[in-house]
Amino acid sequence: DAGVTQSPTHLIKTRGQQVTLRCSPKSGHDTVSWYQQALGQGPQFIFQYYEEEERQRGNFPDRFSGHQFPNYSSELNVNALLLGDSALYLCASSLVGGGLGNYGYTFGSGTRLTVV
Amino acid sequence: GIQVEQSPPDLILQEGANSTLRCNFSDSVNNLQWFHQNPWGQLINLFYIPSGTKQNGRLSATTVATERYSLLYISSSQTTDSGVYFCAGPDYKLSFGAGTTVTVRA
Repeated sequence: DAGVTQSPTHLIKTRGQQVTLRCSPKSGHDTVSWYQQALGQGPQFIFQYYEEEERQRGNFPDRFSGHQFPNYSSELNVNALLLGDSALYLCASSLVGGGLGNYGYTFGSGTRLTVV
Repeated sequence: GIQVEQSPPDLILQEGANSTLRCNFSDSVNNLQWFHQNPWGQLINLFYIPSGTKQNGRLSATTVATERYSLLYISSSQTTDSGVYFCAGPDYKLSFGAGTTVTVRA
């Protein structure tokens, strides 16, 4: 049973460019959340997608956008990259309504984005 | 938003030692979780513990919801326990603490 798959694992981009990160959720999960983790810090919630719509959003600018496809996979897009966008981007999948508030998150290993 | 404080920030242990990690929340948390991040970056869910005590092998966790804190206990630590431990809540929009970096030396 495959867990959460993220691609690519590493990426180097130049300031001002655009980037797309991809996530395939765990089999049976229907919800995908994205987190940004800067070096030495805890992950920060970017947004969550359910039924192909953005359900909730954290404190991130509009340069960060996403999409969820009918097969529940998701993309995170970041436009006009800044040096400060360098971070580990984590995807987590879960099942809406799964078990008494235990959302049963499964995290991927992340995509490490470096902006130069 | 909710504030999450973890202590200590760093912990160095000799193999076989026991330790306690603490997590304080600024507000009530209904869905407190503990995670372990391995050196490759993957977050592994250790406990879902909104209240009470749970045990899983050498790890156990206790949450006192009324006092807004949770404790993670590591007993007989092993080198494979090294990594960063995070607590998070309050619901599906997880707020993480800054983590406790644990280094277990052989």
